[in-house]
Amino acid sequence: DGGITQSPKYLFRKEGQNVTLSCEQNLNHDAMYWYRQDPGQGLRLIYYSQIVNDFQKGDIAEGYSVSREKKESFPLTVTSAQKNPTAFYLCASSMGGAGGNEQFFGPGTRLTVL
Amino acid sequence: AQRVTQPEKLLSVFKGAPVELKCNYSYSGSPELFWYVQYSRQRLQLLLRHISRESIKGFTADLNKGETSFHLKKPFAQEEDSAMYYCALSYSGNTGKLIFGQGTTLQVKP
Repeated sequence: DGGITQSPKYLFRKEGQNVTLSCEQNLNHDAMYWYRQDPGQGLRLIYYSQIVNDFQKGDIAEGYSVSREKKESFPLTVTSAQKNPTAFYLCASSMGGAGGNEQFFGPGTRLTVL
Repeated sequence: AQRVTQPEKLLSVFKGAPVELKCNYSYSGSPELFWYVQYSRQRLQLLLRHISRESIKGFTADLNKGETSFHLKKPFAQEEDSAMYYCALSYSGNTGKLIFGQGTTLQVKP
């Protein structure tokens, strides 16, 4: 099952704190993605990376930051600037390029701001 | 702008009834379309993609470019089909990004 892991499964944060969500994949995929899933809104793209040391903003990047120092890892930081961070966060990866656009998803992290 | 619309938030049917989950997209070129499914307490996974033209778990979906639709169909629903279903669009030049619809919860009653 998978090949993409996310940790932790549940995360609680106090207002004003930054928090980092982990995403690791062993599928040798070039591309990785972060989505936010809210009821009735589907999945919205936060950031994506097509290759190591490069990433681009998605549709709702404000208040978030990422890094891609290794092919296997794409951590997401939810900063205090994110006004409504309580949500379910999904990480995904794909082969990218000619390999096709099918994305494989992790199990998700549920972030709750107290 | 490219967009995917799933008009129904919730679709409730009885076991054995036909199912059609609607998906409409806006894109003037040649899209690649997917259906993803999320069962309770499981991760989001690919159900089918239009280019493979497969039937998975009895589900089929045909791309209708004239109506810009990619509806998901199954002739006889089963209780284990109850899940959240997302339609997604990938288009040329978007570097592999997927645009997701809002999702439809399918509830199959016994």
